[in-house]
Amino acid sequence: DIQMTQSPSSLSASVGDRVTITCRSSQSIDKYLNWYQQKPGKAPNLLIYGASNLQSGVPSRFSGSGSGTEFTLTIASLQPEDSATYYCQQSYYMLTFGQGTRVEI
Amino acid sequence: QVQLEESGPGLVRSSGTLSLTCVVSGASIDGSSWWNWVRQPPGKGLEWIGEIYHNGYTNDNPSFKSRATISVDKSKNQFSLTLSSVTAADTAVYYCTRGTIGPRFSPSYYFDFWGPGILVTASS
Repeated sequence: DIQMTQSPSSLSASVGDRVTITCRSSQSIDKYLNWYQQKPGKAPNLLIYGASNLQSGVPSRFSGSGSGTEFTLTIASLQPEDSATYYCQQSYYMLTFGQGTRVEI
Repeated sequence: QVQLEESGPGLVRSSGTLSLTCVVSGASIDGSSWWNWVRQPPGKGLEWIGEIYHNGYTNDNPSFKSRATISVDKSKNQFSLTLSSVTAADTAVYYCTRGTIGPRFSPSYYFDFWGPGILVTASS
């Protein structure tokens, strides 16, 4: 199994801050890494696919980078509506998610 | 717009079988996408259960030890999940999702559409 580890588990930041979340895989997954945002009581929403491609309709303040075993999700200027839990997911072999990062404003 | 919606009993007896259906609209289940089930226990993270292609080919999460079966009904444009021998640990919100293979310039596979989810409680 490919294990995904996110850090931090939670963070608190202010509106306008630059926020970075890290995701590490237990083995190389090339760029088969996706990021999702989930708000309470809602289904996850795809933000980034293929490590760095912005999904249609997602604000440009979200960006992703990385390859191999280390990846980052960056929110360039945090907005109130970005309060949510963020998950990384590898799709290189089977599918596994990170444990989530809760972002509070 | 692609839409998915889960349906099924919200309560399942322990040791019984959980059965859920996902109806797809706005896209043909006969296309190039894969159709997945993901679950989320209350207050916890996401867990992939498995996926199916329209030809019936499946990939399953080995952690379910063959308890999970996914099937497809092309005539109704829907797919289903059955999970046998349920315990309280299977209590979760169950989501159906569409798996899409990314463009040539960026090899990837991701879940671009999700159903709203259905809470299933396993209880004696």
